Amino acid sequence: DTAVSQTPKYLVTQMGNDKSIKCEQNLGHDTMYWYKQDSKKFLKIMFSYNNKELIINETVPNRFSPKSPDKAHLNLHINSLELGDSAVYFCASSQEWEAGELFFGEGSRLTVL
Amino acid sequence: TQLLEQSPQFLSIQEGENLTVYCNSSSVFSSLQWYRQEPGEGPVLLVTVVTGGEVKKLKRLTFQFGDARKDSSLHITAAQPGDTGLYLCAGRDGNNRKLIWGLGTSLAVNP
Repeated sequence: DTAVSQTPKYLVTQMGNDKSIKCEQNLGHDTMYWYKQDSKKFLKIMFSYNNKELIINETVPNRFSPKSPDKAHLNLHINSLELGDSAVYFCASSQEWEAGELFFGEGSRLTVL
Repeated sequence: TQLLEQSPQFLSIQEGENLTVYCNSSSVFSSLQWYRQEPGEGPVLLVTVVTGGEVKKLKRLTFQFGDARKDSSLHITAAQPGDTGLYLCAGRDGNNRKLIWGLGTSLAVNP
């Protein structure tokens, strides 16, 4: 079983559309994260959730909204997609909030046309 | 703003060569992690160093944390094509526990 799985792996869509990326972890971890990796490979933290509570919300446009139905899932919803949203989005989890090893999913490559 | 600078940004070497990758900051970290990311995959943790001056070995990879816990290095001996990937360092801020990421070193080992 994959520890952190996210879907879809690839997503191509038009500007202005709304899309979601789903993430699930089966590690029993308390904290989940969303990262954005741009074309220069820089990993930027977007959100983290600890026991359903939003802990970090970096300077991310409010078009991005994380939703966590339970501790094992953290989905990312994006409204009114823009060209600059094109990137690879990674879901990750850790046993405790901001401590220890991060376990990453395989990434979801979003292309906005 | 905390920054982690990695050098070199790109490195292309022949199989069997040795190399060193550096991760530098003006900030002190409570710990520092090294991850490797292969194409189409997420980063995977290689090692965590905690103590200033600490040296850890993982087969042909040697990791060192600076005495002042501001910098770190990764040395690979006799590089192999399987070492190809993006090497990322990430330092843990001792106050707010946030993980600060470097920009990465993209390594290509040619057979």
